[in-house]
Amino acid sequence: AQKVTQAQTEISVVEKEDVTLDCVYETRDTTYYLFWYKQPPSGELVFLIRRNSFDEQNEISGRYSWNFQKSTSSFNFTITASQVVDSAVYFCALSAASGGYQKVTFGTGTKLQVIP
Amino acid sequence: KAGVTQTPRYLIKTRGQQVTLSCSPISGHRSVSWYQQTPGQGLQFLFEYFSETQRNKGNFPGRFSGRQFSNSRSEMNVSTLELGDSALYLCASTAEQGGYGYTFGSGTRLTVV
Repeated sequence: AQKVTQAQTEISVVEKEDVTLDCVYETRDTTYYLFWYKQPPSGELVFLIRRNSFDEQNEISGRYSWNFQKSTSSFNFTITASQVVDSAVYFCALSAASGGYQKVTFGTGTKLQVIP
Repeated sequence: KAGVTQTPRYLIKTRGQQVTLSCSPISGHRSVSWYQQTPGQGLQFLFEYFSETQRNKGNFPGRFSGRQFSNSRSEMNVSTLELGDSALYLCASTAEQGGYGYTFGSGTRLTVV
């Protein structure tokens, strides 16, 4: 069975603060993929990053960075110097084989509010 | 290239009616998945189609059905609508299997009154 847990339901930070969104996953598969998506108020989910289970290198993209640790089954997302435009719901997702096909499981999302 | 297109964006229906939602994937993408998003349940997987065949199905009643055409466009149908079907319905496409990441459409917001 696959499971993704985003324990933080809502987070509020003041603009320019750093914020980390937590994601813990469960899967029995050795090959899997992890994703982060952003959902602004408009509703569309925007793809942010994909990471496969064999690549534990951390990644940085501008103000965004991701910390993947297989030992703790976590894939955390940090926004540095947050901005109001970062306000959105962020989803972590896991894709692993299920019945021969990739099945995607989403976490329940973390709503981030950046206060000016 | 164009993204995933969902029509209509908003829909209001009455209980007992049926509704059809449409999704046009990114050109070249053969896999289309549908999700229901509600405040209480989060993102729930409905089904996935690949090359006109339903490949995966979530835990939804038979009132929810879908299909995919030869051009990869997909439709989702909900019959005998209930108030609880009010939700944002999201469609996502991917080139092959889910490991490559999904591109989502803007969704169709369905309100059942």
